[in-house]
Amino acid sequence: DTGVSQDPRHKITKRGQNVTFRCDPISEHNRLYWYRQTLGQGPEFLTYFQNEAQLEKSRLLSDRFSAERPKGSFSTLEIQRTEQGDSAMYLCASSLVYHTDTQYFGPGTRLTVL
Amino acid sequence: DAKTTQPTSMDCAEGRAANLPCNHSTISGNEYVYWYRQIHSQGPQYIIHGLKNNETNEMASLIITEDRKSSTLILPHATLRDTAVYYCIVRVDPDAGGTSYGKLTFGQGTILTVHP
Repeated sequence: DTGVSQDPRHKITKRGQNVTFRCDPISEHNRLYWYRQTLGQGPEFLTYFQNEAQLEKSRLLSDRFSAERPKGSFSTLEIQRTEQGDSAMYLCASSLVYHTDTQYFGPGTRLTVL
Repeated sequence: DAKTTQPTSMDCAEGRAANLPCNHSTISGNEYVYWYRQIHSQGPQYIIHGLKNNETNEMASLIITEDRKSSTLILPHATLRDTAVYYCIVRVDPDAGGTSYGKLTFGQGTILTVHP
């Protein structure tokens, strides 16, 4: 049983560039979550999907951020026109909503915007 | 979701029990207590959760007071690999309905350092 995987693990980009991260949830998990964590802080919720439907978005998710889960399996998080303030760890988690809904996290993608 | 209060940091000797407290005085009847931990530069790891009764699994025990206003996570025999940030989170029962119960709201957590 594989866990949540994220790709890439590290991304360095220049300000103004677009970046896209991928998350593969645990097989058959129907909920998928994105969080962001800056240095010294706990993770902050960004958005979540149940199957392919995006059910909630945080106000942290500005219009430069977009997330998709087109077939209810993997998800992508895109950041357009990156800013230095976007530098953070982007975490993905998945859960099976009909079984206590416990969230299991991936290893994260570390984004550095120069 | 109810807020939680945890000590900023704690120390524990290797092989001894680590007892991590958490206050959640505003917890509601349909809110669970969850514990996660995060080892440096890794994603958070689920440890345990409970509603009213004490819970135990292969990683830890969770003791919830009768009034549910506080809880304690117990690592029975701490090892150096248990050094991490431990997060106590209160979360609405997912079966309670609504749309805001999906997310976890993390605080600052407790930095547990296990020393030899």
